[in-house]
Amino acid sequence: DGGITQSPKYLFRKEGQNVTLSCEQNLNHDAMYWYRQDPGQGLRLIYYSQIVNDFQKGDIAEGYSVSREKKESFPLTVTSAQKNPTAFYLCASTNGPSKNIQYFGAGTRLSVL
Amino acid sequence: KQEVTQIPAALSVPEGENLVLNCSFTDSAIYNLQWFRQDPGKGLTSLLLIQSSQREQTSGRLNASLDKSSGRSTLYIAASQPGDSATYLCAVPIYNQGGKLIFGQGTELSVKP
Repeated sequence: DGGITQSPKYLFRKEGQNVTLSCEQNLNHDAMYWYRQDPGQGLRLIYYSQIVNDFQKGDIAEGYSVSREKKESFPLTVTSAQKNPTAFYLCASTNGPSKNIQYFGAGTRLSVL
Repeated sequence: KQEVTQIPAALSVPEGENLVLNCSFTDSAIYNLQWFRQDPGKGLTSLLLIQSSQREQTSGRLNASLDKSSGRSTLYIAASQPGDSATYLCAVPIYNQGGKLIFGQGTELSVKP
């Protein structure tokens, strides 16, 4: 079954802690994205990667970090520098950023303890 | 700067009605427009993608149209069902930013039995 898998579904962060959200795809897509969704603010881009070992900041990258060591994996770390991390995080991928469908994972809901 | 707007923010209809959801965008130089469905607490499911060269795209009871010159797209849902209740989002990619999607705020649809 092809698709995007995000884990965990729910995540809790203590103050001062870094947490990592996993995103794996078996669609053989080159481009991957992380979006953050907040009520009333829609979806906003955190980071994106168009190829292995390369990634770019999106609109709200502060307090987040990513890596792209493998084509199928694009983990997102929410660092302690992110002061308001509570949100729904969505990972997406596509094989033709401006022409093709972007597919999304089921999301990870992050809350602060 | 591309901005995407969806009206109305919420819509409630009785089962069986045909309905139209609206999406407008400020920059007509788009490559495509994508419609998504999001159920509460879930990820985004792609419904339809219309390329800039197309006027319409159909999938089952769904029909999406695109008018680039006026900066508008509509999603037509025929013979609505309670299972259609969800939030519907439209989005356009930004080519020089890795194909990141600019989303509207969404229309929350409720179909009453």
